Amino acid sequence: SQTIHQWPATLVQPVGSPLSLECTVEGTSNPNLYWYRQAAGRGLQLLFYSVGIGQISSEVPQNLSASRPQDRQFILSSKKLLLSDSGFYLCAWMWRGPYNEQFFGPGTRLTVL
Amino acid sequence: GQQVMQIPQYQHVQEGEDFTTYCNSSTTLSNIQWYKQRPGGHPVFLIQLVKSGEVKKQKRLTFQFGEAKKNSSLHITATQTTDVGTYFCAGPDNYGQNFVFGPGTRLSVLP
Repeated sequence: SQTIHQWPATLVQPVGSPLSLECTVEGTSNPNLYWYRQAAGRGLQLLFYSVGIGQISSEVPQNLSASRPQDRQFILSSKKLLLSDSGFYLCAWMWRGPYNEQFFGPGTRLTVL
Repeated sequence: GQQVMQIPQYQHVQEGEDFTTYCNSSTTLSNIQWYKQRPGGHPVFLIQLVKSGEVKKQKRLTFQFGEAKKNSSLHITATQTTDVGTYFCAGPDNYGQNFVFGPGTRLSVLP
């Protein structure tokens, strides 16, 4: 069976500090990987997606970046956090193709102070 | 670009009442998916609809895909407190690599 891990679960960071969130998937290969951000009480904003190692597509230009150094590893980073980066960050994976569902990780709740 | 809209944004119901959320896409969809996110949790896949006019049921939940494959609805009969959460619909983008999520409908059920 497949599992998706995210860490840390919660994070409090000062403005201007760097960020690194990690997501790993087990039990599958060549998945599509996604990073979403969800502001409190709001919908899902797609930040990045990846269809393969080293292939990153950005949906929203901002001070965040993503990398996929390994097939089942997806990392979200920032060099300098802003207050507006606070939110609930969700990683998800999906088998390729439009008729497959997305499986979400447990999420990281980030507070930037 | 492709947009997916949902109404209402919020819905408060008394336990036992019915609930319906509506989803509309700006483009024709090959399929539509529904997810539920419990408070503090992550979205969990509920169902996928593929055929025009398709209706699927999961216990008290009834999902419908419109004839034109541009709209969908989720109806919950006799809501329970366990139904609390946000319900999202999502449709694939034009390339089939991403899903465009609606803004969600947040359901509160008063006991």
